[in-house]
Amino acid sequence: AQKITQTQPGMFVQEKEAVTLDCTYDTSDQSYGLFWYKQPSSGEMIFLIYQGSYDEQNATEGRYSLNFQKARKSANLVISASQLGDSAMYFCAMREADSGAGSYQLTFGKGTKLSVIP
Amino acid sequence: DTAVSQTPKYLVTQMGNDKSIKCEQNLGHDTMYWYKQDSKKFLKIMFSYNNKELIINETVPNRFSPKSPDKAHLNLHINSLELGDSAVYFCASSQDLWDRVYEQYFGPGTRLTVT
Repeated sequence: AQKITQTQPGMFVQEKEAVTLDCTYDTSDQSYGLFWYKQPSSGEMIFLIYQGSYDEQNATEGRYSLNFQKARKSANLVISASQLGDSAMYFCAMREADSGAGSYQLTFGKGTKLSVIP
Repeated sequence: DTAVSQTPKYLVTQMGNDKSIKCEQNLGHDTMYWYKQDSKKFLKIMFSYNNKELIINETVPNRFSPKSPDKAHLNLHINSLELGDSAVYFCASSQDLWDRVYEQYFGPGTRLTVT
């Protein structure tokens, strides 16, 4: 079973509108972290937002917010007031509790390609 | 200054050759990683390296070997390159403490093309 599922291969949004990118995850750990990264066409990976499993409040970073529903195991990214520069691939990723080896690997979803329409 | 740098940015080579990709981070992070992004944009962990301890993804062929001369560097060596190795390879680093989760900083990627 996939650990991170992003069901929307592609999304379109009108400029200045809000958009929600879906992400569901699967883990049996109690302690884990959820990340969203943006990859524009230039190829670099840009960190957007992080949510810890024990965080009671949804994370927010500027126009980005994470709608964390722990019972549903979902961590959707909400982008408010979309801009043309938001057009990119968006990846949801999870980091699970340390296995004892001292490092934390990210498991990525397959990504959602967001296109912002002027 | 670039936080995580990789060289080269592009690498075109023939099947059977041996090549290396270098990665350096100037963030003082404890852990470094190598990820492979395939043509469908799927990112998958290859290795993580922390305090001289290497964690290998079991699906990675042993033709791939990471080498860490010091905490700031994690190079990727690939022997006997195959067509299927063509991908973008990302290096990343993070500061990992057991009670805090930090984001990973990614390098710009190295696009490897095997002909």
